[in-house]
Amino acid sequence: SAVISQKPSRDICQRGTSLTIQCQVDSQVTMMFWYRQQPGQSLTLIATANQGSEATYESGFVIDKFPISRPNLTFSTLTVSNMSPEDSSIYLCSVESFGGRGGSTQYFGPGTRLTVL
Amino acid sequence: QKEVEQNSGPLSVPEGAIASLNCTYSDRGSQSFFWYRQYSGKSPELIMSIYSNGDKEDGRFTAQLNKASQYVSLLIRDSQPSDSATYLCAVNTGTGRRALTFGSGTRLQVQP
Repeated sequence: SAVISQKPSRDICQRGTSLTIQCQVDSQVTMMFWYRQQPGQSLTLIATANQGSEATYESGFVIDKFPISRPNLTFSTLTVSNMSPEDSSIYLCSVESFGGRGGSTQYFGPGTRLTVL
Repeated sequence: QKEVEQNSGPLSVPEGAIASLNCTYSDRGSQSFFWYRQYSGKSPELIMSIYSNGDKEDGRFTAQLNKASQYVSLLIRDSQPSDSATYLCAVNTGTGRRALTFGSGTRLQVQP
């Protein structure tokens, strides 16, 4: 499986500011995904980031609020813009990996725990 | 109807028992099914994947898939206190969508 790192691991931010989260993978991957996990909840997909094209956002998530970059096959960033307390969540990067029978699997980075005051 | 449904639990089992976790999904076109374990404060860790009907065993874990019933389960044999975590069922519909849809998770407590 791929080794995925995220920075920062956690942050406390003020309302109205922005935070950029970085995701680095130790191998080239085509698809990267950004998920959000609000307190006590399961994972919700924010967007899919494919290198060389615009990110594809899920319903309820917009590029102005969550701009994503995917400059190469090992790196992506997610920015949480104009933050409010409702943005307090864990943000998770995941990558798609192929191997074995059946198809692809996804592995997750360690996450970024964001608290907005 | 939620796309992927799990009982939130907690499911409490004694140490050494078999824990049975269940998941149903709504999209008949779903192709790939995964179980992730998530410890409190940590990110999800993949423990099993299953792609075809039947059972798949890996150590103490067995995943079972029944596409006709749209049902996938995870059995944990000889449960240990270290298995106490939230188990997330995830499904990939395979219809050009590469991301996963997650259930809400089942919290498992293994009592020593």
